[in-house]
Amino acid sequence: QVQLQESGPGLVKPSQTLSLTCTVSGGSISSATYYWTWIRRPAGKGLEWIGRIYPSGNTNYNPSLKSRVTISLDTSKNQFSLKLSSVTAADTAVYYCARSPGFDIWGQGTMVTVSS
Amino acid sequence: QSVLTQPPSVSAAPGQKVTISCSGSSSDIGTNSVSWYQQLPGTAPKLLIYDNNKRPSGIPDRFSGSKSGTSATLGITGLQTGDEADYYCGTWDTSPSALVLFGGGTKLTVL
Repeated sequence: QVQLQESGPGLVKPSQTLSLTCTVSGGSISSATYYWTWIRRPAGKGLEWIGRIYPSGNTNYNPSLKSRVTISLDTSKNQFSLKLSSVTAADTAVYYCARSPGFDIWGQGTMVTVSS
Repeated sequence: QSVLTQPPSVSAAPGQKVTISCSGSSSDIGTNSVSWYQQLPGTAPKLLIYDNNKRPSGIPDRFSGSKSGTSATLGITGLQTGDEADYYCGTWDTSPSALVLFGGGTKLTVL
């Protein structure tokens, strides 16, 4: 069955760029049926949608993060990625990738701490 | 502050029933379907309910969902200690970008 796995640095310095990758196994990221999403959960807070990418490469982002976020696809590796620039402590969170529509499949999540 | 409003916490005894509300507006829940997610401690969220009241394969019928107007409700019967978790409602707005909205989450305690 389809599985998602996040990977990337667990510690990022303030003002730098957070970069994460989600590897999809058991299915093709190019399938027209699905699209791919990043969601995060800061400590002590609820879920926050970051954005999505379609197989075409079209994207939509949370307006509160739009100026700092880029989501991209690498179909050759069956992966999609998240870049969040100019990070601050407020970006410390567990980051999840998920399959859409419906977020029916999630990665296990990866903790990212922003600290010097 | 979340666009969708959920109670911060609910509690009930084992075997009892509990409901969790999710309130939105005509620009989100009032137009689009609602999903519910369960997040057990230390794990990723799991889809419990989609399209307001449908359960994915493997989700027991103790979990149910409903929607009326601009509000949705998650019901859990026969509460078990293993149901202790955070529960989130989710939908999207009516903008062309169909931005995803989550509730603030509800912590369920099974006493």
